[in-house]
Amino acid sequence: SAVISQKPSRDICQRGTSLTIQCQVDSQVTMMFWYRQQPGQSLTLIATANQGSEATYESGFVIDKFPISRPNLTFSTLTVSNMSPEDSSIYLCSAMRQAKETQYFGPGTRLLVL
Amino acid sequence: AQSVSQHNHHVILSEAASLELGCNYSYGGTVNLFWYVQYPGQHLQLLLKYFSGDPLVKGIKGFEAEFIKSKFSFNLRKPSVQWSDTAEYFCAVTAPNTGFQKLVFGTGTRLLVSP
Repeated sequence: SAVISQKPSRDICQRGTSLTIQCQVDSQVTMMFWYRQQPGQSLTLIATANQGSEATYESGFVIDKFPISRPNLTFSTLTVSNMSPEDSSIYLCSAMRQAKETQYFGPGTRLLVL
Repeated sequence: AQSVSQHNHHVILSEAASLELGCNYSYGGTVNLFWYVQYPGQHLQLLLKYFSGDPLVKGIKGFEAEFIKSKFSFNLRKPSVQWSDTAEYFCAVTAPNTGFQKLVFGTGTRLLVSP
């Protein structure tokens, strides 16, 4: 398994500001992902964080709103830009050592935008 | 695109009752199937998974799930639930068209076990 930590665990932000969420894995992994879990809903994949290249975004998510970095095989960041109350969600990082294997999840970052 | 359906959004059981949570997916080829659990205040954890082989898979804490290919189903079962099983349960699938990388989740089932 992989142990994943996220910072911050929660935050309250004002609309129009940006927040960067950090995700750290305890060992090198091939793939890292970012998900959103809106209140009362399931998890939706935002993007795949690619090491050394631009992230691959899912339909409905764009780089300008959710820029992602992945400088190495154990670390990634997700920025939620120009926030609005609709961005209030839990944001989760996950990692997978190899394709076709299990994804492990971080504890999530609970974001409230006022 | 794949989708996953979980039929029960909320389930309330008494301790020692049997549990079965339904999960159906909409992909016709080979899939990998997962059940994740999220206990109150904790992060998402893997309960069990199916990749291939015996369609009856056993997971942690006495849970099991059966893959029935003809029904596109992967139902979760436990013969006797405990209060500590109160949690939200998510069924998820990956498929070869995404390299078995992208998890598609169901809407989740909230289970409340009363003591």
